[in-house]
Order: sequence, then C-alpha cells, then structure tokens
Amino acid sequence: GAGVSQSPSNKVTEKGKDVELRCDPISGHTALYWYRQSLGQGLEFLIYFQGNSAPDKSGLPSDRFSAERTGGSVSTLTIQRTQQEDSAVYLCASSSWDISGELFFGEGSRLTVL
Amino acid sequence: TQLLEQSPQFLSIQEGENLTVYCNSSSVFSSLQWYRQEPGEGPVLLVTVVTGGEVKKLKRLTFQFGDARKDSSLHITAAQPGDTGLYLCAGAPYNQGGKLIFGQGTELSVKP
Repeated sequence: GAGVSQSPSNKVTEKGKDVELRCDPISGHTALYWYRQSLGQGLEFLIYFQGNSAPDKSGLPSDRFSAERTGGSVSTLTIQRTQQEDSAVYLCASSSWDISGELFFGEGSRLTVL
Repeated sequence: TQLLEQSPQFLSIQEGENLTVYCNSSSVFSSLQWYRQEPGEGPVLLVTVVTGGEVKKLKRLTFQFGDARKDSSLHITAAQPGDTGLYLCAGAPYNQGGKLIFGQGTELSVKP
C-alpha cells in the first residue's frame, strides 16, 4: 500500500525483554515521527527525524528507548528491558514537510508488557 | 516545555447539538493542526491553521486560531453520530523544525 506501514500490529512481551517496532514511511517523505499513546489519551512525542539532520530525541522517556532510521526510510524503535508502564500504542507518522505540514500516521503497534 | 491543554476531555451529546472544543497553551506556535482519530486507527488531519486570527470552515466544522497564536478552537454544528471520535490538536513550536506537540485529546460521543 501507499500509506505508512507499522509492524508488528500487536506485541505481547514479558517484563525485562527487548522489543523492536518497525515503521515503513510513505516513499519520499523526509520527516518521520514516533509517538506513544496510552488508552484514550493524546499522543506523547518520542522522537523526530528530518532528512539527514540529527534526530530530535527530546521526548524519549528513558535511555531504554532508542530509534534509528536507515537510509532515510525505514525506522526502528527499540525498547530495552521493557517495563509494564511501557504498555501503549506506538504510532509512527511521516510527512513530506509541505505547506500543510500534514502527518500521515500508521495504524500503530500495540505493545503489552506482562 | 510546550504543552497543549484540551478541554473538555470527554463530551457526550445528542445528535443535532452544537459543541466547542478548546486547545490552549502558554506557548506560541507557528501553526496548529486538528486531527480526528477513530479506534484502532491513526489520527487523520482535519485542518491546518497558520495565521493568527484565522478561521477555517470544513462543512459543519469551524476552526479558529487565536490572534496570539497560543490557542485554537473547534466548533461543530449539528453534531452527527459519525462525528464520534477522539479530536486532537497539535502545535508546531517555533524553531524546532517540524516537531509537532499534541494535546491530550477530546473524546466525543454523539448519540442518535
């Protein structure tokens, strides 16, 4: 499809395990965002990539969280030593950075830490 | 730290009623967006406002950006059950590239 693709759509893991969440942005979009959303709540900013610039990591909640974007396209969000409070939906979005500034979101990866 | 406060957090109304959702901040934003999200899906853009005092209309939805670029409102006229969803405002802080900060959302339920 032509939209933002995220995988896995659902992930159940045990406390202390590491997880990787993947995001395939829309082709040609230079900006990529990761947000976290708890049930029925707003979006918590995690990290933002724009072209070849250094990513804005100001929203990462702890050093257990990291993200990379390879070749300006696919991004992976890694959570090490998961905790129960990490349980949430992790949303990825991409943008072409045009005048509308519209973010196109994937359907999210729902993470449950037992 | 820029924060966007939305109110009300929850709103349950009958079909045909009008409603207004507010988005406020102490920070100034270069632009502000409104998104709507349905369960199991990502948010979808409704509108972007970029000029202080700007008013945009999208069918029964009216969006306003405050003169000082710190606040915004979304007004829905004659709400319908199809308007049910989570409404999110998002602001772009100055000099932070394309970073977008979201409010905590307003959960709207319109009953037939």
